[in-house]
Amino acid sequence: KQEVTQIPAALSVPEGENLVLNCSFTDSAIYNLQWFRQDPGKGLTSLLLIQSSQREQTSGRLNASLDKSSGRSTLYIAASQPGDSATYLCAVKSNQAGTALIFGKGTTLSVSS
Amino acid sequence: DAGVTQSPTHLIKTRGQQVTLRCSPKSGHDTVSWYQQALGQGPQFIFQYYEEEERQRGNFPDRFSGHQFPNYSSELNVNALLLGDSALYLCASSLGGGQFFGPGTRLTVL
Repeated sequence: KQEVTQIPAALSVPEGENLVLNCSFTDSAIYNLQWFRQDPGKGLTSLLLIQSSQREQTSGRLNASLDKSSGRSTLYIAASQPGDSATYLCAVKSNQAGTALIFGKGTTLSVSS
Repeated sequence: DAGVTQSPTHLIKTRGQQVTLRCSPKSGHDTVSWYQQALGQGPQFIFQYYEEEERQRGNFPDRFSGHQFPNYSSELNVNALLLGDSALYLCASSLGGGQFFGPGTRLTVL
């Protein structure tokens, strides 16, 4: 059974810091991995989608990497801003789970000014 | 492009009642998935609809049912509500690639 773990559960940093969020999954047979952002009480905003054949994807200050063989992905946020404060969720679409996305519990990020 | 829309935004029900939640997918998307997100947890997959058929189902009881219409919009029905059904219900649409989520419906069961 595919399981997704995100570490740390919460993170507080001062504005301007570069930071890394971690995601691990137990079954390496995945189709893709997605990173989402969720503001309190709101829906999910897709940040980056990495296909299983890719190693990384970049969008602005965000960079996500994928190491399928070790079952790990990282989300790198450069020059963090208070507006980056949110919960970041990692989800995998795996062969085992079919079309369902399997989510971690998320990392709650707080960036102080 | 309006993106994925859901209605209502909030809903309060009492135990034993029934509820219907609605979702309109992103333009051009033909697949709709429903997820339940309890407080402090990641979303859990309920089921997915494609071509008006339930294509895959997660580990949820039969009290949870759904429907997809010819215009690809979808409904989620929950019967005999329990306190534990209180959650944010998220709809996601896709067209073979990544999934795009709506703002969710917050259901509170008293």
